[in-house]
This record gives sequence, C-alpha cells and structure tokens, in this order.
Amino acid sequence: AQSVTQLDSHVSVSEGTPVLLRCNYSSSYSPSLFWYVQHPNKGLQLLLKYTSAATLVKGINGFEAEFKKSETSFHLTKPSAHMSDAAEYFCVVTGDAGNMLTFGGGTRLMVKP
Amino acid sequence: GAVVSQHPSRVICKSGTSVKIECRSLDFQATTMFWYRQFPKQSLMLMATSNEGSKATYEQGVEKDKFLINHASLTLSTLTVTSAHPEDSSFYICSARRTVANTGELFFGEGSRLTVL
Repeated sequence: AQSVTQLDSHVSVSEGTPVLLRCNYSSSYSPSLFWYVQHPNKGLQLLLKYTSAATLVKGINGFEAEFKKSETSFHLTKPSAHMSDAAEYFCVVTGDAGNMLTFGGGTRLMVKP
Repeated sequence: GAVVSQHPSRVICKSGTSVKIECRSLDFQATTMFWYRQFPKQSLMLMATSNEGSKATYEQGVEKDKFLINHASLTLSTLTVTSAHPEDSSFYICSARRTVANTGELFFGEGSRLTVL
C-alpha cells in the first residue's frame, strides 16, 4: 500500500519570498514521486519528478524538490515566489505493482503582492 | 511535450441524459489512460484505469455501469456518464501514459466540467 500526505492544505506567501510545500509519503516499493500544478479549471502540469536518480530534482519555473528517504519526504521549494505561482499543487507517488497512482490532498498556494 | 486533448471542456446536460467525454493523445500512443474525478477544492480521485483493447479497471466505489470507459485505440479513450444526475456534476480529468512503466510521465488533459441540471 502507499499513501501521500500533503501537510498543508493552504500556504500563503508574499511575492519574492521562498515557497515550501510539504509532502510525506509511504510506499512498500521504491517509489517514483511527482509534483504537479493545477491552475483553476485546468488540467495538471508536471513540475518535476523523482525516479531513483539524483535526490535533488530541478523542475520547471524554478521549482525543485529533494527526495529524503530517511524522512520519507519530497518537499517542493522555490527560492522566490511569483504571482503566477498561485495554484493548487499535488504530490503524487507511484511505485506499487501495476499502475497505482496515489495523489496527495493538494496544497493551495496563495501569493500576496 | 506530449499533448492530451479532452473534449468537451464544458458540458451542461439535463438529468437522465448521457454524456460522452473524449480523451485523445495527440502525438503519442497511450498504452494506458486514467480517468479522474475532482470535487470542488478537493484532490483528484482515480476512477478507473483503461488499457487499450481491454476492459477498464475501476476503483472501489465507482459504478462501472454508470461510468462507461472505452479505450478502443492507442490514442482515444472515452468516458460516458450514463443517466446523469446532479450529483455527477464534477470536473473530470483524463491522463495518459506513453509507457507501461510506472515511472513514465503522465500527461493530463485540460479537464471537462460537467454540470447536470
């Protein structure tokens, strides 16, 4: 079995300040982990993914995430928030046999001017 | 990057009618497609997994007779909401994977908002 917990349902930051969106997972297998972003009434866009290569993964739009096996975490960070980063972010784990995907509950990021 | 197209993006229908939503992979062959449902301000709920040429695998609690999924080709999967009711109103999103491997990137459609009156 696998599960994903996004620790914050809402995060609010000021423009230009760092962003931290937290994600913890559990998996019986070696997991692959993804972060997706969803803008209102839109589909999801892949930000970055970890698939057992480098533990620090760089994604699009300045986002990065670090896979920490000892902490079972895959937190998403960005040094400086931009207004256009305001969206819903989903942490996703896949690793069980078959095509099992598990989504976290989502974190809504709000960016204040 | 790969493109997945969903159609229609918005649909309004009367209670009791059926609605078909299409999901197409435009520039790759999708061995596996997934259908999700998203309630307002909630995460995505996987409804079913469809592999080309075989029956869809439904998640627990999803009525297969109500949500008919067909994956007749490597580029097209359809979701038909039969005898729709207001509680079926939701945002439906499909995704496609190019490979069988779990590490394959998922490409998502833009979603279809269904409103049942």
